[in-house]
Amino acid sequence: DGGITQSPKYLFRKEGQNVTLSCEQNLNHDAMYWYRQDPGQGLRLIYYSQIVNDFQKGDIAEGYSVSREKKESFPLTVTSAQKNPTAFYLCASRTSESSYEQYFGPGTRLTVT
Amino acid sequence: AQKITQTQPGMFVQEKEAVTLDCTYDTSDQSYGLFWYKQPSSGEMIFLIYQGSYDEQNATEGRYSLNFQKARKSANLVISASQLGDSAMYFCAMREGPSNYGQNFVFGPGTRLSVLP
Repeated sequence: DGGITQSPKYLFRKEGQNVTLSCEQNLNHDAMYWYRQDPGQGLRLIYYSQIVNDFQKGDIAEGYSVSREKKESFPLTVTSAQKNPTAFYLCASRTSESSYEQYFGPGTRLTVT
Repeated sequence: AQKITQTQPGMFVQEKEAVTLDCTYDTSDQSYGLFWYKQPSSGEMIFLIYQGSYDEQNATEGRYSLNFQKARKSANLVISASQLGDSAMYFCAMREGPSNYGQNFVFGPGTRLSVLP
């Protein structure tokens, strides 16, 4: 079945460690996105990529890094420079020709202690 | 300034009744799109309905309809015949720019809907 997978669903790390969140899609979508969601709040854009080997910063990119070496994959690294990394992270993708929605993965809940 | 405003942090509705969730937006673009998503407690984001800025008719999808008032910059979601499974967070979102160009999506803070039996 086509869709977006994010792994793992829950992730625990010690403060000061970098951690990489996985996002894979088999929808043949061109654009991919990473969002952060804090409890009781909306989604904030971290990074997005419209094509392979190209990506742009969103509203809250500081402390995060991404790569887009393959169309299907858009991993997000939460670095030790991110002051408050504990959050719910959602990955999404979208075909460039569509007027319609982004398709979202199930999310990864990251806890840093 | 907030680009998407949802003024109702929480709403209650009786099962089988209709409910309206408010959304106002701010953009200077002529071409844009408006979306509503549902987020159950599991965390997944479920697309509900879309309205393009040039669409003349209000969008409808089953029990969901979007009350689009362009001059007032509002895009309220109407859920008819509420069901217990409708209890969730609801987010209004906007894509600025044409669909094949604008890639910036902005989300509102959400409204938590609780359906009472």
